[in-house]
Amino acid sequence: AQSVAQPEDQVNVAEGNPLTVKCTYSVSGNPYLFWYVQYPNRGLQFLLKYITGDNLVKGSYGFEAEFNKSQTSFHLKKPSALVSDSALYFCAVRPTDKLIFGTGTRLQVFP
Amino acid sequence: SAVISQKPSRDICQRGTSLTIQCQVDSQVTMMFWYRQQPGQSLTLIATANQGSEATYESGFVIDKFPISRPNLTFSTLTVSNMSPEDSSIYLCSVGHRGRGTDTQYFGPGTRLTVL
Repeated sequence: AQSVAQPEDQVNVAEGNPLTVKCTYSVSGNPYLFWYVQYPNRGLQFLLKYITGDNLVKGSYGFEAEFNKSQTSFHLKKPSALVSDSALYFCAVRPTDKLIFGTGTRLQVFP
Repeated sequence: SAVISQKPSRDICQRGTSLTIQCQVDSQVTMMFWYRQQPGQSLTLIATANQGSEATYESGFVIDKFPISRPNLTFSTLTVSNMSPEDSSIYLCSVGHRGRGTDTQYFGPGTRLTVL
């Protein structure tokens, strides 16, 4: 079955430190991978996606993600976290017309 | 990116009643989807809204409970029927393009439903 796993329910990081939110996937064929962020009382906002090409994808708000085919991972990263980055982050894969979401990781950035 | 609006943004409803949620997009899109996000949970796809034909429902969701309309390429409605407290969730509309797996799927702001 095609699936997405986010092994951490919550990630805590101090402001200014680098952050990583982990995502692994299991799909057949070429994976189209996405990251979305959900701020409190808001809908999902698109951050970035991997389709093909360079394994390091840059997105909104200074976020980037690294695609690793051998490890079937697509971890979200940011070199220097901000308190305003605190939100719920979802990894997703789109094998057909439908997105399959991970369970989400709550990022808490402390001042 | 598409601009998506949903009405209402939130509502509190009584058990046994129904609520219709509207989704409006600022441009024509091929695909429209409805998702449910239960408290503290991830997103679950309810159905794909098909223009001019019946929606395609995912396992565990039925038309009698979640009737969907899509009269054109920019508008869709989701009705939550005969509500119970278990239906308390955020309902999100999402749009994309058929056959373009690389295309980004965008989401509306959501409708927060509380059923008493």
